Amino acid sequence: GAVVSQHPSWVICKSGTSVKIECRSLDFQATTMFWYRQFPKQSLMLMATSNEGSKATYEQGVEKDKFLINHASLTLSTLTVTSAHPEDSSFYICSAGDLSSGNTIYFGEGSWLTVV
Amino acid sequence: GENVEQHPSTLSVQEGDSAVIKCTYSDSASNYFPWYKQELGKGPQLIIDIRSNVGEKKDQRIAVTLNKTAKHFSLHITETQPEDSAVYFCAASKKGSNYQLIWGAGTKLIIKP
Repeated sequence: GAVVSQHPSWVICKSGTSVKIECRSLDFQATTMFWYRQFPKQSLMLMATSNEGSKATYEQGVEKDKFLINHASLTLSTLTVTSAHPEDSSFYICSAGDLSSGNTIYFGEGSWLTVV
Repeated sequence: GENVEQHPSTLSVQEGDSAVIKCTYSDSASNYFPWYKQELGKGPQLIIDIRSNVGEKKDQRIAVTLNKTAKHFSLHITETQPEDSAVYFCAASKKGSNYQLIWGAGTKLIIKP
């Protein structure tokens, strides 16, 4: 199947700093990418939908100024966690829609963020 | 809006036996139903999907069935193996929804040796 690469796979940062996570579709073009957050033993929680060339659409309760999303090309979206706090520690996962296969969605491997 | 319910939340089966996970959805306009397998600490992996124009799809030991009238779909895993142990999520989406998936709560599948 199609490949979505997410980087870094894990990161530790200090409180107050910002962290950027990249999501790349390696072998297809993705007009739409999604960012999720997942807490232990829970399902995926959609944070925002990112469309190439336009502003991201955030889910209710997700601070857009804290979780900055940029989708500058058909193969790359980035999530920046600004002024990170320990409560932002979580597993962040991106996914991408493959235009050529209808609405099939492929996921990245996820990024573990620990804020100390 | 769409709501997807998934059962059971935990399923334990003996190695070699079959496992069945069921999902129901509420929006009759939904037309795409993927299943994902998520291993601990990893992103979900698409294992099989079905679109509303077919009733069943099979890929080796994995099959998915869809009943549009009843609005439910199921994942069937035959001849289960230890590496099948994971959390499985069902999802639904529809045309025009910008690919957005509505997720089930997940099923933790445990394969007993």
